[in-house]
Amino acid sequence: TQLLEQSPQFLSIQEGENLTVYCNSSSVFSSLQWYRQEPGEGPVLLVTVVTGGEVKKLKRLTFQFGDARKDSSLHITAAQTGDTGLYLCAGTSGSRLTFGEGTQLTVNP
Amino acid sequence: GAVVSQHPSWVICKSGTSVKIECRSLDFQATTMFWYRQFPKQSLMLMATSNEGSKATYEQGVEKDKFLINHASLTLSTLTVTSAHPEDSSFYICSAPSQAFDGYTFGSGTRLTVV
Repeated sequence: TQLLEQSPQFLSIQEGENLTVYCNSSSVFSSLQWYRQEPGEGPVLLVTVVTGGEVKKLKRLTFQFGDARKDSSLHITAAQTGDTGLYLCAGTSGSRLTFGEGTQLTVNP
Repeated sequence: GAVVSQHPSWVICKSGTSVKIECRSLDFQATTMFWYRQFPKQSLMLMATSNEGSKATYEQGVEKDKFLINHASLTLSTLTVTSAHPEDSSFYICSAPSQAFDGYTFGSGTRLTVV
């Protein structure tokens, strides 16, 4: 069974602070995705990383895929209250998508 | 972009009754769809893979006779929770691979409450 460990599980910070969320596995994935989910809604895809060592930026969000394609990180710069939500990493192997446990981020004004 | 529409958004039903949840791909065809279950403050757990024109593939521990999946067309998959019990209360979400194959598009979810 492929498992994705996400840390931290909960994070509460002040607006303007930076943060990093980690996603680790002992398995190799063909790609890794990051989603953001708000209460009562389905997850929304933020980014997909495919190549080991790949770095992608989405405004204040920076995503990195580990060289061995087993881990990834999400870094948010100058967090805003609108960044509050559940962040999920998910690895793909074939057509199967395996989710991490999620990181509940709360950004306080 | 690819849109997956899920209905209903929420449903309350009595114990012992059945509830059907629909998942439609609005602007693309989906030969495969996925059904997840999510408890409060937890991540998504894959229940089954729905395959158009063939039987669904269920994850270990998921009762196929209780969670009936039908994928009769390239744009519609349904999940029927049969003889629902309070412990079936949860948030159910469907998804389909995006057309660009760079991720998955999720429905907005269905909040099921069994009383």
